[in-house]
Amino acid sequence: GQQLNQSPQSMFIQEGEDVSMNCTSSSIFNTWLWYKQDPGEGPVLLIALYKAGELTSNGRLTAQFGITRKDSFLNISASIPSDVGIYFCAGTSGTYKYIFGTGTRLKVLA
Amino acid sequence: GAVVSQHPSWVICKSGTSVKIECRSLDFQATTMFWYRQFPKQSLMLMATSNEGSKATYEQGVEKDKFLINHASLTLSTLTVTSAHPEDSSFYICSARARQGFGNTIYFGEGSWLTVV
Repeated sequence: GQQLNQSPQSMFIQEGEDVSMNCTSSSIFNTWLWYKQDPGEGPVLLIALYKAGELTSNGRLTAQFGITRKDSFLNISASIPSDVGIYFCAGTSGTYKYIFGTGTRLKVLA
Repeated sequence: GAVVSQHPSWVICKSGTSVKIECRSLDFQATTMFWYRQFPKQSLMLMATSNEGSKATYEQGVEKDKFLINHASLTLSTLTVTSAHPEDSSFYICSARARQGFGNTIYFGEGSWLTVV
C-alpha cells in the first residue's frame, strides 16, 4: 500500500536535546496527524493539523502543516527518556482514509 | 479524547481455525472504522474500511473472504480471520472516525496480537 516518506528513519539523541522529524507526500492533504506508538500498543494521537501553515503545540511537541500541503513537521523540545518510541505521521485528502508514514524511531540517551 | 477499545489484546489460535477481534468506540458513535495490520518494526498498512450497515471496502491485495469485517452498529466493528495460518500472525489495529464533534481525526484501539501456531 501507499506510504508517506518520513525522515529520519531513526535517531539517537541525548536527553535535553531538541528533535525534528518530517513527513512528505506526493499529493496534497487537508489533514495531517502525528502519533506516537509504544511497543505492543496502538498509536496515540499527539497533534492534529487541519490548515496549511497551521502551527500547533501540545506541551513540548510542536507540529506544522506545510504551506504546500504536501508536508508536515514535528518538533520535540528538551527531550526526556519517556519520549522514546516510534512516531508516525498520517495524512488524508479528505476521505478519512489515512496514509501513514514509515515511522521515526526515537531513542533518548539519559 | 475519544476512546477506542479492542478485544482481545492478544490471542493464540491453531492453524486452520478462525478468530474474531472486536473494535468498540466507547464514548462516541463511529460511522467508519478502519482495520490495519502492522508487522514488527513496520508502519501501519490499511486492510479495509468498515462502514456501519454496509459492506467493507478492502484494500488491494487483502482477501475479503479471509478477513471478514462486520460493522453491525455505530460502536462495534469486528474482524474475523478465517482459516488462520502462521503467516497471518501479526498486530492488528483498528481505528474509528467519530460521527461528529471530534474533528477530522481518527482514534486507534490498543491493538490485538494474533499468533497462529
